Amino acid sequence: QKEVEQDPGPLSVPEGAIVSLNCTYSNSAFQYFMWYRQYSRKGPELLMYTYSSGNKEDGRFTAQVDKSSKYISLFIRDSQPSDSATYLCAMSAGDGTSGSRLTFGEGTQLTVNP
Amino acid sequence: GAVVSQHPSWVICKSGTSVKIECRSLDFQATTMFWYRQFPKQSLMLMATSNEGSKATYEQGVEKDKFLINHASLTLSTLTVTSAHPEDSSFYICSAPARDKVGINYGYTFGSGTRLTVV
Repeated sequence: QKEVEQDPGPLSVPEGAIVSLNCTYSNSAFQYFMWYRQYSRKGPELLMYTYSSGNKEDGRFTAQVDKSSKYISLFIRDSQPSDSATYLCAMSAGDGTSGSRLTFGEGTQLTVNP
Repeated sequence: GAVVSQHPSWVICKSGTSVKIECRSLDFQATTMFWYRQFPKQSLMLMATSNEGSKATYEQGVEKDKFLINHASLTLSTLTVTSAHPEDSSFYICSAPARDKVGINYGYTFGSGTRLTVV
């Protein structure tokens, strides 16, 4: 069983839709949770970074963490064609400064159709 | 803040030659650098972890003599693919945990990646 499970999609939605992306994990040591967006042939770009259960909002993006269920989500409101990319969840046992390695989900390929 | 600059963005080389990829932390000190490899439509695969001033730690199955990592300073880490072969063609990405000068934690920031094609 993988430590992090993420539905690879592909996911196709119309412009303006609310997108829900999810990951589950099995390692209780994971304390820090991240969502990255990766465009084709580019490095991952950090969207959200959180270390506690609950919600965190940044513009059209909302990250949810439920440590009791070992489940994290990313919601994208009013999705735009420019949101079309692969979304990767990632998590680690330590924070960014401790040098702990990241464990990634497989990535979900999202297409937002005009 | 917290930018990792990676060069080159793409490179084509002949089989048997060596290629060096550089990652520089522009506005923070990168004491640790992670090096990943990514195949099309797959997630990132960790190759090695380097710490400034010490030898890199390689993941199982990664040839340390083929993928030479140097992390001689707090702002520069390099990956050299030695005696490259077509099967080494891939997308290579570096990443570093980042905190800016005022202490804001940026999590893990990634370089823009290097697409290597060995012909």
